[in-house]
Amino acid sequence: GAGVSQTPSNKVTEKGKYVELRCDPISGHTALYWYRQSLGQGPEFLIYFQGTGAADDSGLPNDRFFAVRPEGSVSTLKIQRTERGDSAVYLCASSLIYGGGTGELFFGEGSRLTVL
Amino acid sequence: AQSVAQPEDQVNVAEGNPLTVKCTYSVSGNPYLFWYVQYPNRGLQFLLKYITGDNLVKGSYGFEAEFNKSQTSFHLKKPSALVSDSALYFCAVLPDTGRRALTFGSGTRLQVQP
Repeated sequence: GAGVSQTPSNKVTEKGKYVELRCDPISGHTALYWYRQSLGQGPEFLIYFQGTGAADDSGLPNDRFFAVRPEGSVSTLKIQRTERGDSAVYLCASSLIYGGGTGELFFGEGSRLTVL
Repeated sequence: AQSVAQPEDQVNVAEGNPLTVKCTYSVSGNPYLFWYVQYPNRGLQFLLKYITGDNLVKGSYGFEAEFNKSQTSFHLKKPSALVSDSALYFCAVLPDTGRRALTFGSGTRLQVQP
């Protein structure tokens, strides 16, 4: 596709439920990043992938959060036993160059998660 | 660990006037510095970056930024603001070692009045 695509754009769920958020990066981009943006805050790093493997998952807040990228393209962020504090906009970005060292990140429009 | 500070939550400027959005950073080693813009209901968009070389970097939509190593700053500037520049601006830093992902500031809302 022309840009980074994220689905769903909005997700409302109840506390304790399981949620999956999907990211389809720009074709050919090997690096993929997940960020979380709470109201009034800047994006907070969660995890990034180089190809199929997670190069750095140190930003995941706890073991309820998990992300996969099995074929090196589409990625899914999975949140178990959701809590109200998980409510945020989850941003996905991709980059042609690993680590974004000299290449900018291209962001999707985000998935807004609301946990009631 | 790296960090970015944007000391102003909001900047107000009249159309046609120059604007400055401030950013300071803390990082080990040589930083790569970025500015991104977020328009309402749109994804973050890349504006400009500093990697090395000339301290004055020019980017999209007439924006530029000045890297100042001694002051650890990377302020965003534009000589003449437009109403359409009104948006949320984020400064970000990428260290040359360690975690290879951007660390963002908290953002500054720019409001340009007609």
